[in-house]
Amino acid sequence: QVQLQESGPGLVKPSETLSLTCTVSGGSVSSGSYYWSWIRQPPGKGLEWIGYIYYSGSTNYNPSLRSRVTISIDTSKNQFSLKLSSVTAADTAVYYCARALAGPYYYMDVWGKGTTVTVSS
Amino acid sequence: SYEVTQPPSVSVSPGQTASITCSGDKLGDKYTCWYQQKPGQSPVLVIYQDTKRPSGIPERFSGSNSGNTATLTISGTQAMDEADYYCQAWDSSTVVFGGGTKLTVL
Repeated sequence: QVQLQESGPGLVKPSETLSLTCTVSGGSVSSGSYYWSWIRQPPGKGLEWIGYIYYSGSTNYNPSLRSRVTISIDTSKNQFSLKLSSVTAADTAVYYCARALAGPYYYMDVWGKGTTVTVSS
Repeated sequence: SYEVTQPPSVSVSPGQTASITCSGDKLGDKYTCWYQQKPGQSPVLVIYQDTKRPSGIPERFSGSNSGNTATLTISGTQAMDEADYYCQAWDSSTVVFGGGTKLTVL
């Protein structure tokens, strides 16, 4: 059974770069069947899609975050990562990684437990 | 950019049918899925490709999508179904979430 686990600092200072990693177990990020996604949820608010990456390295990002986001993949470690630059308090959220299937559709069938990131000095 | 809209809240009595809508321009031309999220937990996929249920999701969950509206229907709603529900659409290779609907079972 595929499992995803987010990891990274829980506290980031304003203007710095948030960096998170998602480790996949029980499956391979090299599978051409899936896309690997990041989603976040500010406290008390709804879900916001950040972006996704395919095993080939192709990516797509939320237009509202595109200028600050980079998602990368490391097939040797079976991980994919998120970097969000120039963070502010508005980037405080629970960050989730998820596996997605895509075609003329897109849905995320396996999610990590999420990791809380607070932006504060 | 594409947007989908959900009602902030829906209430239902136990055993009754709950319907949660998701509206967007020509949404019926796109595939929609639904996630359930309980407090402190990760979202769980309950409907994908408009009408399909993942394994392990009870049959009381069903979905439809036509025109400008997708609907998640929960038949014979149980107390355990109380949660936030999010619709999600796929448009121009981008993922779009609705704002979420809090389902209260009372």
